[in-house]
Amino acid sequence: DSGVTQTPKHLITATGQRVTLRCSPRSGDLSVYWYQQSLDQGLQFLIQYYNGEERAKGNILERFSAQQFPDLHSELNLSSLELGDSALYFCASDVDGGGIPNEQFFGPGTRLTVL
Amino acid sequence: AQTVTQSQPEMSVQDAETVTLSCTYDTSENNYYLFWYKQPPSRQMILVIRQEAYKQQNATENRFSVNFQKAAKSFSLKISDSQLGDTAMYFCAFMESSGDKLTFGTGTRLAVRP
Repeated sequence: DSGVTQTPKHLITATGQRVTLRCSPRSGDLSVYWYQQSLDQGLQFLIQYYNGEERAKGNILERFSAQQFPDLHSELNLSSLELGDSALYFCASDVDGGGIPNEQFFGPGTRLTVL
Repeated sequence: AQTVTQSQPEMSVQDAETVTLSCTYDTSENNYYLFWYKQPPSRQMILVIRQEAYKQQNATENRFSVNFQKAAKSFSLKISDSQLGDTAMYFCAFMESSGDKLTFGTGTRLAVRP
């Protein structure tokens, strides 16, 4: 158990819908990262938040957005869903979020299926 | 942009034997960090080993060791005394010295045969 929690574990929805994925980092970790693992694209970085502010952006679609709240939990919002958005979405956290590369601890992932 | 290449989609090894997984990367940075992550069937991402580019000594963690060749931009993982529990996908990953995102390779699926 990495200490990072993600809910829900599984999500099945239809094209055009909107979903929210939630992540709670390890206690004390300030930085949250979101990654997408799909058959087509492999594992790729989406976005990073550090202490409530966006720190880095990767290959995140405009239909996707994220935020980190004062209690440091993060949500990834996916809208206008397409079949190709079906993937495993990971959240990871670390203490510093840059400057000193610590180990990123990964959550168990949310499996999103778009039908 | 940094890229990470894992040229072996699948590997197989007999238990108790040794296997080496290959990884090459491309970067113009001088300082960076390299990682091997394991993803078993449970899908959990587990850090196996890490290497700082400024350290010449190869990292080791119990049965896992790396062969880091900075000039060749190569970062292979050696698993000694392979065990059935080592069966998993293995991802090589790169991180810039700024310490933010991980850039992953496409993975190598390792099967340990009894």
